[in-house]
Amino acid sequence: DAKTTQPTSMDCAEGRAANLPCNHSTISGNEYVYWYRQIHSQGPQYIIHGLKNNETNEMASLIITEDRKSSTLILPHATLRDTAVYYCIVRASGAGSYQLTFGKGTKLSVIP
Amino acid sequence: GAGVSQSPSNKVTEKGKDVELRCDPISGHTALYWYRQSLGQGLEFLIYFQGNSAPDKSGLPSDRFSAERTGGSVSTLTIQRTQQEDSAVYLCASSTSGLNEQFFGPGTRLTVL
Repeated sequence: DAKTTQPTSMDCAEGRAANLPCNHSTISGNEYVYWYRQIHSQGPQYIIHGLKNNETNEMASLIITEDRKSSTLILPHATLRDTAVYYCIVRASGAGSYQLTFGKGTKLSVIP
Repeated sequence: GAGVSQSPSNKVTEKGKDVELRCDPISGHTALYWYRQSLGQGLEFLIYFQGNSAPDKSGLPSDRFSAERTGGSVSTLTIQRTQQEDSAVYLCASSTSGLNEQFFGPGTRLTVL
C-alpha cells in the first residue's frame, strides 16, 4: 500500500471547519483513500473513504485532488468531541488488502 | 445495534503466564481482525479471519501467539508465556467482508509485569 504523509498536529476552533490534509503521491489506480480516527482510549472509528470522486457522509467530507496525490478530510463544524488522532490510509481493493496500516496520523485538538 | 465487544477491558498479568483475550464481532460480519497498538504507536496487524477460509496469521509476532474463531463468530487471542514486550492494547475489528470498512472494539489493555 502507498505511504501517506500527514501533519503531526493541528488546532481548530470549536464550530469552525477542520481541514485535515494528507499526501499520498505514490498512490496507484486501484487504491482507495480511507480515513479513520481514534479518540483517546478508544478503538479506531471509520469516517469515510473514496477512490476518485469527492465523498460526503454524516460525519465528514473527503476531497481528493484530480491527480489523486493528495486529499483533505473536512469536518464542517468541529466540536470538542472531534478531538482525536486522524489517520489517512491508502488501501488497495484487491485480495490480501484487508490489513489497515496506520501511521502516526494528525492529532486534532478542537479548542473551545 | 451492538458494536464489537472485547473482554476483559484491562488485564494485568505476570511475565510467563498465559492470557486469553476475547472478541465478539458485530452479528453477521464474516471478517474479523486482531491488531495491537503499543503506547504511542500505530496499529500492528496480527491475524485475519474470513468466513470458513484459513486465517491469515502472517502478522503474529511469534509462536506464543495464536487465535481461534469458533462458529464463525467469537474469537479468542491467546498469548502464551507472556513477556513484557507483549504489553499493548489489543484491538479487534470486524467487517462485512475483507474489503469493507472495519468496525473496532474498545480494545483490551494488557500489562505484563
